[in-house]
Amino acid sequence: SQTIHQWPATLVQPVGSPLSLECTVEGTSNPNLYWYRQAAGRGLQLLFYSVGIGQISSEVPQNLSASRPQDRQFILSSKKLLLSDSGFYLCACIRLVGPDTQYFGPGTRLTVL
Amino acid sequence: GQNIDQPTEMTATEGAIVQINCTYQTSGFNGLFWYQQHAGEAPTFLSYNVLDGLEEKGRFSSFLSRSKGYSYLLLKELQMKDSASYLCAVRAEADKLIFGTGTRLQVFP
Repeated sequence: SQTIHQWPATLVQPVGSPLSLECTVEGTSNPNLYWYRQAAGRGLQLLFYSVGIGQISSEVPQNLSASRPQDRQFILSSKKLLLSDSGFYLCACIRLVGPDTQYFGPGTRLTVL
Repeated sequence: GQNIDQPTEMTATEGAIVQINCTYQTSGFNGLFWYQQHAGEAPTFLSYNVLDGLEEKGRFSSFLSRSKGYSYLLLKELQMKDSASYLCAVRAEADKLIFGTGTRLQVFP
C-alpha cells in the first residue's frame, strides 16, 4: 500500500533562516507529487507540483522552491524564511496505477519567529 | 481562473443528514475529491468522482454533475466524530489539484 512520509513533524525557525522539508513516498512508482500550505483556519494552497523527476511547476510566486531529485522524493526549500511562511505544510501523492486516490502525508507544522 | 466554492460553516444534529455543496470553475476537469480534515491533522480521503452520478460509501455519498460544475457530499446518521472540515478539490488541467477553502461542520448532540 502507498505511504507518504514527511519530516520533521514540527519545526520552529527564525526569520531569515533556511528551510528544507522532505517528502518520500513508498508503495508506488512515478507518482504525481504536490506541496500544499495551510495557514491556520484556512484552505489548502497549492505551492508546487511535479509529474516526474526534475519536473516542477510553481503555482505561487514566493521565496520557496521545490526539487524532485528522485522518483519518490520531493523537497521544499527556502534560502531565507519570512514570517508569512508559517503554516502547515502537506505533501500529497496521486497514484497513477490503480485507484485514483490522492493521499496526504502527516504534514510539517512550521512556525517562523 | 480557478474557483471552487463551498459554504464556510454548517451545523447539524447527531443522527441527522447533512449535504455539503461544492461548485467549481476550473481550467480543465479530470475528477473531484472530497476530504475530511480534523483540526491539526492532515486531510483523509473520502471519495473521488470522475463521472456524473452518485457514489455511495457507507454513511458518506458523493454526487457529481460535470455539466453544472457541481458536487455534494452527503453525510447520513451523523455522529459527533463527524465534526471536522470537509474539503472539495478538483483535479484540473496538467493534474493540478485545486482545493476549496473547506466547510467546517459542527455536529451537536
